[in-house]
Amino acid sequence: AQSVTQPDIHITVSEGASLELRCNYSYGATPYLFWYVQSPGQGLQLLLKYFSGDTLVQGIKGFEAEFKRSQSSFNLRKPSVHWSDAAEYFCAVALMDSSYKLIFGSGTRLLVRP
Amino acid sequence: NAGVTQTPKFQVLKTGQSMTLQCAQDMNHNSMYWYRQDPGMGLRLIYYSASEGTTDKGEVPNGYNVSRLNKREFSLRLESAAPSQTSVYFCASNQVVSETQYFGPGTRLLVL
Repeated sequence: AQSVTQPDIHITVSEGASLELRCNYSYGATPYLFWYVQSPGQGLQLLLKYFSGDTLVQGIKGFEAEFKRSQSSFNLRKPSVHWSDAAEYFCAVALMDSSYKLIFGSGTRLLVRP
Repeated sequence: NAGVTQTPKFQVLKTGQSMTLQCAQDMNHNSMYWYRQDPGMGLRLIYYSASEGTTDKGEVPNGYNVSRLNKREFSLRLESAAPSQTSVYFCASNQVVSETQYFGPGTRLLVL
């Protein structure tokens, strides 16, 4: 069955430090991949997406992600974290069949130390 | 351009009561979705509507019904609420699955 794994429930980084959030997926074909961010009490906002082409994709707010087919991974990175980046981050896979479904990971909560 | 709107924002129900969560989008999207979000479980798809006039079950449909009233509106109904349905409910929409899903602000539901 298709699945998305985010192995880190919580991550704490200092402001200005670099960040990498991990995401692994299980899917037979090359999927459409997404990273969403959710601030407290808010809905989800798209950070970036990968459909095809260049495996390094740039998103909003200075985030980037790299698709690695050999590792079935789509990790999210940011060179320098800001206090406003504290939020919950969700990786998602879109199933390319008639179901039109997004499969979400369980999320990683990012805490930023001043 | 309001995007995806949901009403109500908060609701408290007693076990056995019914209610309908409303969702509307003004982006002329074909597809609409209802998710529930529970701690440590990400978002799980309840029902979706790939296009006007069609609805299909997602991962966790039991205890819910939906209506795609028109292209703009997609409602979620709890006929007899249970404490296990305490959750945050999100509506989303997109034009096609390969495009971004836009999410509403959510409805927080507490069933006592």
